[in-house]
Amino acid sequence: GEDVEQSLFLSVREGDSSVINCTYTDSSSTYLYWYKQEPGAGLQLLTYIFSNMDMKQDQRLTVLLNKKDKHLSLRIADTQTGDSAIYFCAGGDTGRRALTFGSGTRLQVQP
Amino acid sequence: GAVVSQHPSWVICKSGTSVKIECRSLDFQATTMFWYRQFPKQSLMLMATSNEGSKATYEQGVEKDKFLINHASLTLSTLTVTSAHPEDSSFYICSASSITGFGEQFFGPGTRLTVL
Repeated sequence: GEDVEQSLFLSVREGDSSVINCTYTDSSSTYLYWYKQEPGAGLQLLTYIFSNMDMKQDQRLTVLLNKKDKHLSLRIADTQTGDSAIYFCAGGDTGRRALTFGSGTRLQVQP
Repeated sequence: GAVVSQHPSWVICKSGTSVKIECRSLDFQATTMFWYRQFPKQSLMLMATSNEGSKATYEQGVEKDKFLINHASLTLSTLTVTSAHPEDSSFYICSASSITGFGEQFFGPGTRLTVL
């Protein structure tokens, strides 16, 4: 099965940019996702990128995909305290197969 | 966007009792629903894949007689934890994939189960 690795913790100051990284082993995923989970809550889909894309930008979020290195990143510009949460990357195929989740990165935003 | 609900959001039960958790897709039809389990400060681990009208497919190590899954309609899947024990205490999250669209999955808010 696929392994998805993430760093465990990231701390930034409010207003700075945050970059959360993810590496994966299986290159057959059609889509790669970023989810946000706040304490005690479910997962919120932030953005996704199709596997044939290199970059996707959505307001403050920028996703970069390096297929050669099997590396995915999420950049959050102008990070706010409300961005403090756990961020999961996940790989998936069609909706009929479950997603494989990374271990999650806890983002702490300091005022 | 598509909404998935779970009920209850939090349940506390005594050891030995059974607990049913519902997962509903509110504004779309879902042929496939997934059940995940999340331990504190850990990632989501897939328990089973549930397809409407057929038996669920369980991941290795998940006891199908303990975690009963029923997917009776295109909008409802249930997970029943039978004879719950304290080690079953966890956060259970379901997701549903829409028939339409590119198959993205929408996640429920999760159910926290505490077994005393």
